[in-house]
Order: sequence, then C-alpha cells, then structure tokens
Amino acid sequence: RKEVEQDPGPFNVPEGATVAFNCTYSNSASQSFFWYRQDCRKEPKLLMSVYSSGNEDGRFTAQLNRASQYISLLIRDSKLSDSATYLCVVTLEDYKLSFGAGTTVTVRA
Amino acid sequence: NAGVTQTPKFRVLKTGQSMTLLCAQDMNHEYMYWYRQDPGMGLRLIHYSVGEGTTAKGEVPDGYNVSRLKKQNFLLGLESAAPSQTSVYFCASSFTDGNTEAFFGQGTRLTVV
Repeated sequence: RKEVEQDPGPFNVPEGATVAFNCTYSNSASQSFFWYRQDCRKEPKLLMSVYSSGNEDGRFTAQLNRASQYISLLIRDSKLSDSATYLCVVTLEDYKLSFGAGTTVTVRA
Repeated sequence: NAGVTQTPKFRVLKTGQSMTLLCAQDMNHEYMYWYRQDPGMGLRLIHYSVGEGTTAKGEVPDGYNVSRLKKQNFLLGLESAAPSQTSVYFCASSFTDGNTEAFFGQGTRLTVV
C-alpha cells in the first residue's frame, strides 16, 4: 500500500468555482503535512502547510483529520492560474518526505 | 539567491553509459533528497541524506548510488544506465525538523536510449 494516496483527477472546473480534493496517508505516526503545487515540467513548490486545527491562506483552505488519516485542500473562487498538479506531502517519523502522485486541477475560462 | 541547483538540466545517455547528477544547495540544509518523477507515479524517493557523510536508501534505490562528501552537495550516480531510468530527477533539501519547507531544484530530464 502506498504511504500517500491521492485522487489523480483531473478536476476540470470553470473560473470562479470551488474545487476540493483529499489525500489519505497510511502511517499514523506521520508528523507533518503539506500541500505542494507543481506546474507542468517545473519543480514542486510549497503551497501551504497543514495544521491540526485547519488553516487558510487566501482562497486556499487545508484541513487535517488525524482520526481518519486524511488531509484536504479546498480552492475557492478558482482562477486560471490555479491550474496545476497539487501534491500531498507527509513527513514520516524519520523526517523523510513522502509524496502523493498528485491531483491535477484544470480551471477553464 | 541560488537555492537548490541541479546540473545538468538535460541529458541523453546510451544504455550502459554512466553519469553523475550534481545537486548543490546554499541554504545550509541538513537533509537532501533525490527523487524521480514518472508519469502517473508521482515523486519516488531514490536516496536521501541526513547530513554530511551519510546516505540512506529510499523507495527505489536500485541502479543508483549517491555521495554526500560536502554538506552542500549531493551527487546521484548511474553506473550503467538503462532505459527504465528515463525520468525526470529532482533534488530537494530541507532542515532536519521536518516541519519546514523542502526546496527543489529545477529537475534533470534524463533519456536513456
């Protein structure tokens, strides 16, 4: 079983829509959680960390559910520039980063 | 303001050839990683290092070797390239506490023919 699993999508949404997707992780000892963004043929870059109480950064909201071992990302008022692949990242107990395969989001005009 | 730099950015190898990918970071990070990314597979950890002089195997280490002789550099070697090693390779670095951002290099696109 993969340590981090994501719905690959693609999620194809119109501008202004809300899109949300989840990521599940298998190791209950996982310590830190992140969402990274990767544009086509570019390197991944940190979008936001995910805190236990949930957190918001502008139009982006991240939630963590330790009991069910999943994290979520919600994007409100989608922009064309939000089109990208979103990678779920979990830090394991030895601080190794484990990546999901990514969820592709395409925002259309 | 270099961050993480990978060289080369592109390379075509013939089966059986060897090469070394270089990763250099100027952020004084302890941890460094080598990943490969294939379509539909996401990033898979090849090897990683928790500090100068140390290396450890990741998820897909076979066919690769690494060295971390200096804190700022992490080298990935392919001794005898195979077509299955055609991929995009990313190097990353981070502080040890695992709660901070990992910074990535721009990637190396390797094709083995």
